[in-house]
Amino acid sequence: AQSVTQPDIHITVSEGASLELRCNYSYGATPYLFWYVQSPGQGLQLLLKYFSGDTLVQGIKGFEAEFKRSQSSFNLRKPSVHWSDAAEYFCAVGATGANNLFFGTGTRLTVIP
Amino acid sequence: KAGVTQTPRYLIKTRGQQVTLSCSPISGHRSVSWYQQTPGQGLQFLFEYFSETQRNKGNFPGRFSGRQFSNSRSEMNVSTLELGDSALYLCASSQGLAGELETQYFGPGTRLLVL
Repeated sequence: AQSVTQPDIHITVSEGASLELRCNYSYGATPYLFWYVQSPGQGLQLLLKYFSGDTLVQGIKGFEAEFKRSQSSFNLRKPSVHWSDAAEYFCAVGATGANNLFFGTGTRLTVIP
Repeated sequence: KAGVTQTPRYLIKTRGQQVTLSCSPISGHRSVSWYQQTPGQGLQFLFEYFSETQRNKGNFPGRFSGRQFSNSRSEMNVSTLELGDSALYLCASSQGLAGELETQYFGPGTRLLVL
Protein backbone atom coordinates (compact mmCIF):
# COMPACT_ATOMS: atom_id res chain seq x y z
CA ALA A 1 0.00 0.00 0.00
CA GLN A 2 1.11 3.51 -0.69
CA SER A 3 2.07 5.80 2.15
CA VAL A 4 3.92 9.06 2.57
CA THR A 5 5.79 10.28 5.62
CA GLN A 6 6.71 13.88 6.27
CA PRO A 7 8.75 13.69 9.46
CA ASP A 8 8.76 17.41 10.21
CA ILE A 9 5.46 18.83 11.39
CA HIS A 10 6.72 22.39 11.66
CA ILE A 11 9.87 24.10 10.40
CA THR A 12 10.98 27.68 11.06
CA VAL A 13 13.59 29.35 8.88
CA SER A 14 14.88 32.87 8.49
CA GLU A 15 14.14 34.76 5.32
CA GLY A 16 16.99 34.22 2.86
CA ALA A 17 18.03 30.92 4.42
CA SER A 18 17.93 27.65 2.54
CA LEU A 19 15.13 25.15 3.03
CA GLU A 20 14.77 21.41 2.81
CA LEU A 21 11.49 19.62 3.52
CA ARG A 22 11.68 15.87 3.87
CA CYS A 23 9.39 13.31 2.29
CA ASN A 24 9.66 9.54 2.40
CA TYR A 25 7.32 7.26 0.52
CA SER A 26 6.35 3.64 0.44
CA TYR A 27 5.09 2.21 -2.80
CA GLY A 28 5.49 -1.16 -4.47
CA ALA A 29 5.97 0.07 -8.02
CA THR A 30 7.49 3.12 -9.64
CA PRO A 31 6.25 6.04 -7.59
CA TYR A 32 4.82 9.16 -9.04
CA LEU A 33 5.52 11.99 -6.64
CA PHE A 34 4.16 15.46 -6.11
CA TRP A 35 4.70 18.45 -3.88
CA TYR A 36 1.77 20.77 -3.25
CA VAL A 37 1.60 23.97 -1.21
CA GLN A 38 -1.41 25.25 0.68
CA SER A 39 -1.76 28.79 2.01
CA PRO A 40 -4.17 29.36 4.90
CA GLY A 41 -7.78 28.92 3.83
CA GLN A 42 -6.79 27.99 0.30
CA GLY A 43 -6.70 24.92 -1.88
CA LEU A 44 -3.58 23.09 -3.00
CA GLN A 45 -1.21 24.49 -5.58
CA LEU A 46 1.12 22.14 -7.45
CA LEU A 47 4.79 23.01 -6.96
CA LEU A 48 6.37 20.19 -8.91
CA LYS A 49 6.04 16.55 -9.87
CA TYR A 50 8.19 13.55 -10.69
CA PHE A 51 6.97 10.98 -13.16
CA SER A 52 10.21 9.61 -14.64
CA GLY A 53 13.53 10.67 -16.11
CA ASP A 54 15.82 13.20 -14.49
CA THR A 55 15.70 12.71 -10.74
CA LEU A 56 16.13 16.42 -10.03
CA VAL A 57 12.96 18.27 -10.94
CA GLN A 58 12.38 21.98 -11.03
CA GLY A 59 9.15 23.57 -10.00
CA ILE A 60 7.53 26.93 -9.62
CA LYS A 61 8.61 29.66 -7.21
CA GLY A 62 12.23 28.49 -7.27
CA PHE A 63 11.58 25.10 -5.69
CA GLU A 64 13.26 21.87 -6.71
CA ALA A 65 13.06 18.28 -5.50
CA GLU A 66 15.28 15.27 -5.86
CA PHE A 67 14.00 11.73 -6.22
CA LYS A 68 16.24 9.17 -4.53
CA ARG A 69 14.98 5.65 -5.10
CA SER A 70 17.58 4.09 -2.78
CA GLN A 71 16.35 6.22 0.11
CA SER A 72 12.67 6.26 -0.89
CA SER A 73 12.80 10.00 -0.60
CA PHE A 74 11.61 13.03 -2.51
CA ASN A 75 12.86 16.05 -0.57
CA LEU A 76 11.86 19.58 -1.50
CA ARG A 77 14.49 22.32 -1.52
CA LYS A 78 14.78 26.03 -2.04
CA PRO A 79 18.09 27.91 -1.85
CA SER A 80 16.69 31.16 -0.44
CA VAL A 81 13.32 31.37 1.29
CA HIS A 82 11.04 34.38 0.94
CA TRP A 83 8.48 35.49 3.51
CA SER A 84 5.72 34.61 1.03
CA ASP A 85 6.79 30.95 1.16
CA ALA A 86 5.20 30.57 4.58
CA ALA A 87 2.53 27.94 4.08
CA GLU A 88 1.87 24.23 4.52
CA TYR A 89 3.61 21.82 2.20
CA PHE A 90 2.31 18.40 1.25
CA CYS A 91 4.10 15.53 -0.40
CA ALA A 92 1.92 13.02 -2.27
CA VAL A 93 2.30 9.77 -4.17
CA GLY A 94 0.08 8.61 -7.00
CA ALA A 95 -0.33 5.67 -9.32
CA THR A 96 -0.87 5.32 -13.04
CA GLY A 97 -4.48 5.32 -14.08
CA ALA A 98 -5.73 6.09 -10.60
CA ASN A 99 -6.47 9.65 -9.64
CA ASN A 100 -6.29 9.01 -5.92
CA LEU A 101 -3.32 10.66 -4.33
CA PHE A 102 -1.92 9.59 -0.97
CA PHE A 103 -0.76 12.59 0.99
CA GLY A 104 1.66 13.06 3.82
CA THR A 105 0.55 14.89 6.93
CA GLY A 106 2.16 18.09 5.80
CA THR A 107 4.95 20.38 7.02
CA ARG A 108 4.07 23.86 8.15
CA LEU A 109 6.72 26.40 7.22
CA THR A 110 7.18 29.60 9.20
CA VAL A 111 9.51 32.27 7.81
CA ILE A 112 11.13 34.72 10.23
CA PRO A 113 11.94 38.16 8.81
CA LYS B 1 -8.17 29.12 -18.56
CA ALA B 2 -10.28 29.30 -15.44
CA GLY B 3 -9.30 27.04 -12.56
CA VAL B 4 -11.35 24.61 -10.55
CA THR B 5 -14.25 26.32 -8.81
CA GLN B 6 -16.13 25.11 -5.79
CA THR B 7 -19.37 26.34 -4.30
CA PRO B 8 -20.22 27.28 -1.70
CA ARG B 9 -16.97 28.26 -0.04
CA TYR B 10 -18.37 28.01 3.49
CA LEU B 11 -21.24 26.08 4.99
CA ILE B 12 -22.66 25.64 8.46
CA LYS B 13 -24.97 22.72 9.10
CA THR B 14 -26.32 20.87 12.11
CA ARG B 15 -26.00 17.19 12.94
CA GLY B 16 -28.41 14.99 11.03
CA GLN B 17 -28.78 17.34 8.10
CA GLN B 18 -27.49 16.65 4.64
CA VAL B 19 -25.30 18.82 2.45
CA THR B 20 -24.43 19.08 -1.24
CA LEU B 21 -21.18 20.58 -2.48
CA SER B 22 -20.47 21.51 -6.07
CA CYS B 23 -17.32 21.45 -8.18
CA SER B 24 -16.71 22.75 -11.69
CA PRO B 25 -13.52 21.38 -13.23
CA ILE B 26 -11.10 23.10 -15.54
CA SER B 27 -12.53 23.31 -19.04
CA GLY B 28 -11.73 20.13 -20.95
CA HIS B 29 -11.05 18.09 -17.82
CA ARG B 30 -13.24 15.04 -17.49
CA SER B 31 -12.04 13.58 -14.20
CA VAL B 32 -13.08 15.03 -10.86
CA SER B 33 -11.76 13.75 -7.54
CA TRP B 34 -12.88 14.71 -4.05
CA TYR B 35 -10.75 14.86 -0.92
CA GLN B 36 -11.51 15.52 2.73
CA GLN B 37 -9.01 17.49 4.80
CA THR B 38 -9.19 17.47 8.60
CA PRO B 39 -6.59 18.34 11.25
CA GLY B 40 -6.72 14.80 12.63
CA GLN B 41 -6.77 12.67 9.50
CA GLY B 42 -5.12 14.99 7.01
CA LEU B 43 -5.97 14.76 3.34
CA GLN B 44 -7.96 11.69 2.39
CA PHE B 45 -9.32 10.61 -0.97
CA LEU B 46 -13.09 10.24 -1.15
CA PHE B 47 -13.85 9.27 -4.75
CA GLU B 48 -13.22 10.04 -8.39
CA TYR B 49 -15.72 10.51 -11.19
CA PHE B 50 -15.06 10.21 -14.88
CA SER B 51 -17.65 10.33 -17.66
CA GLU B 52 -20.47 10.39 -15.11
CA THR B 53 -19.25 7.16 -13.50
CA GLN B 54 -17.48 6.60 -10.23
CA ARG B 55 -14.09 5.24 -11.21
CA ASN B 56 -12.36 5.05 -7.86
CA LYS B 57 -13.44 5.13 -4.26
CA GLY B 58 -11.74 5.74 -0.94
CA ASN B 59 -12.57 4.29 2.43
CA PHE B 60 -15.51 6.40 3.53
CA PRO B 61 -18.98 5.35 4.68
CA GLY B 62 -21.94 5.27 2.34
CA ARG B 63 -23.17 8.59 3.73
CA PHE B 64 -20.68 10.16 1.35
CA SER B 65 -21.77 10.01 -2.25
CA GLY B 66 -21.23 11.91 -5.43
CA ARG B 67 -22.24 12.26 -9.00
CA GLN B 68 -21.01 13.82 -12.18
CA PHE B 69 -22.97 15.49 -14.91
CA SER B 70 -22.47 15.37 -18.65
CA ASN B 71 -20.62 18.70 -18.55
CA SER B 72 -18.14 17.13 -16.05
CA ARG B 73 -19.38 19.22 -13.15
CA SER B 74 -19.57 17.15 -10.00
CA GLU B 75 -21.50 17.24 -6.78
CA MET B 76 -20.73 15.59 -3.50
CA ASN B 77 -23.42 14.79 -0.97
CA VAL B 78 -23.09 13.94 2.69
CA SER B 79 -26.20 12.67 4.43
CA THR B 80 -26.92 12.47 8.14
CA LEU B 81 -24.09 14.82 9.03
CA GLU B 82 -21.91 14.06 12.04
CA LEU B 83 -19.66 16.43 13.96
CA GLY B 84 -16.65 14.61 12.55
CA ASP B 85 -17.66 15.58 9.03
CA SER B 86 -16.49 19.12 9.72
CA ALA B 87 -13.66 19.55 7.24
CA LEU B 88 -12.33 21.28 4.19
CA TYR B 89 -13.59 19.43 1.13
CA LEU B 90 -11.33 19.78 -1.86
CA CYS B 91 -12.14 19.01 -5.44
CA ALA B 92 -9.47 18.28 -8.03
CA SER B 93 -9.74 17.91 -11.76
CA SER B 94 -7.59 16.30 -14.43
CA GLN B 95 -7.98 15.33 -18.04
CA GLY B 96 -8.93 11.76 -17.19
CA LEU B 97 -6.72 10.01 -19.72
CA ALA B 98 -7.04 6.26 -19.27
CA GLY B 99 -3.90 4.54 -18.06
CA GLU B 100 -2.03 7.79 -17.63
CA LEU B 101 -0.55 9.36 -14.56
CA GLU B 102 -2.02 12.78 -14.44
CA THR B 103 -1.61 16.00 -12.56
CA GLN B 104 -4.59 17.00 -10.48
CA TYR B 105 -5.46 20.65 -10.09
CA PHE B 106 -7.24 21.60 -6.92
CA GLY B 107 -10.00 24.07 -6.19
CA PRO B 108 -10.09 26.40 -3.17
CA GLY B 109 -12.28 24.01 -1.20
CA THR B 110 -15.55 24.18 0.68
CA ARG B 111 -15.23 24.53 4.43
CA LEU B 112 -18.03 22.66 6.18
CA LEU B 113 -18.78 23.16 9.85
CA VAL B 114 -21.21 20.77 11.50
CA LEU B 115 -22.72 21.95 14.78
